[in-house]
Amino acid sequence: GQQLNQSPQSMFIQEGEDVSMNCTSSSIFNTWLWYKQDPGEGPVLLIALYKAGELTSNGRLTAQFGITRKDSFLNISASIPSDVGIYFCAGRTGNQFYFGTGTSLTVIP
Amino acid sequence: EAQVTQNPRYLITVTGKKLTVTCSQNMNHEYMSWYRQDPGLGLRQIYYSMNVEVTDKGDVPEGYKVSRKEKRNFPLILESPSPNQTSLYFCASSPTAGTSAYEQFFGPGTRLTVL
Repeated sequence: GQQLNQSPQSMFIQEGEDVSMNCTSSSIFNTWLWYKQDPGEGPVLLIALYKAGELTSNGRLTAQFGITRKDSFLNISASIPSDVGIYFCAGRTGNQFYFGTGTSLTVIP
Repeated sequence: EAQVTQNPRYLITVTGKKLTVTCSQNMNHEYMSWYRQDPGLGLRQIYYSMNVEVTDKGDVPEGYKVSRKEKRNFPLILESPSPNQTSLYFCASSPTAGTSAYEQFFGPGTRLTVL
């Protein structure tokens, strides 16, 4: 199957710092999505991107759909303790979805 | 409340004993899908369904079956479970058109252990 390379694997940051994570693939995707997963729960959608070059914000979160359609990034500004969790990127090609391996974020108060 | 429900939430079983994990959504979504989540591998798609009576294999379909007889339900069937199917399973649903197309809404997960 297709692989999404998500980096970094984990991040330890101080509260108030900005965070950046990204996903790359060797394949083109029609849609990029970013999810957050808290322990013991299902992933929750943060941002969906539908067009190459699209830049979308959701509060302190900003994500972009890469021009080549093979990558996407997610930025979190001014991190707070409740940002802790695992962040996943997902790409859609046709009717199938492929997920990255996740970025574990720890915010130190 | 809009939701995807899965049952059971936890299941311990033995090799070869057929089991079904149910999934139901109340949002009238066309698209439904099953994923398994394993440490270090992220989520991998098992099967998906575009609508009633339409199902397709995802990335890791071996050892699983699904059916979509009603729009709201999408059960996952393991006819002869094996230990390598021990995993955390998620069901998800989404519309296929409109401003929220393919924005999947996930259930709470089912943790399956096969001994």
